[in-house]
Amino acid sequence: DIVMTQSPDFLAVSLGERATINCKSSQNVLNSSKNKNSLAWYQQRPGQSPKLLIYWASTRESGVPDRFSGSGSGTDFTLTISSLQAEDVAFYYCQQYFTTPLTFGGGNKVEIK
Amino acid sequence: EVQLVGSGGGLVQPGGSLRLSCVASGFTFSGYSMHWVRQAPGKGLVWVSRIDNGGSGTSYADSVRGRFTVSRDNAQNTLYLQMNSLRVEDTAVYYCAREWDLLNFWGQGTQVTVSS
Repeated sequence: DIVMTQSPDFLAVSLGERATINCKSSQNVLNSSKNKNSLAWYQQRPGQSPKLLIYWASTRESGVPDRFSGSGSGTDFTLTISSLQAEDVAFYYCQQYFTTPLTFGGGNKVEIK
Repeated sequence: EVQLVGSGGGLVQPGGSLRLSCVASGFTFSGYSMHWVRQAPGKGLVWVSRIDNGGSGTSYADSVRGRFTVSRDNAQNTLYLQMNSLRVEDTAVYYCAREWDLLNFWGQGTQVTVSS
């Protein structure tokens, strides 16, 4: 199974400041036929179900604010919130969909400092 | 509007059974593979099972293989998860999710508690 490792576990950022979350996969998740990395980011607000933010490592889902961006390739990926807003307080999970079983990172909790 | 509405959860004793349902609306259910993902209290997301759009292809996490069975009724736009021989460690919120390579839409989740 591909192991997904997120860091840091917890992040406190001031409103309007940048938040950066890292995700590392134990294997390369590059889909060679599409030349895209099979890596997604999800946001889970308290008491809610997960919501897709980013897929193919850097493609923003429709309706997601442009302050959210994804980057990276191969085994190392990053989710960046360029200017943290109060509604961004949540857990964030990376997930590989390169192969079954689908695997998720342990999650990062983002709070307001 | 896309909706996935889960039901069927509850409190069950170890060794017992439950069947979860997930009713889909707002999209062509038969055109999508579907997944179950669970989240234990205070923990992260764990993939449980997948079924292809026709229902003939299934896969499971090692932790549930042989105990859980995923199925679907495309005529009723409904996804199921039959859970047998339940264990305390199966306690979690169970989410159904739609696949589009990744999981691009999730239901609201249904709570399963396994306890004596």
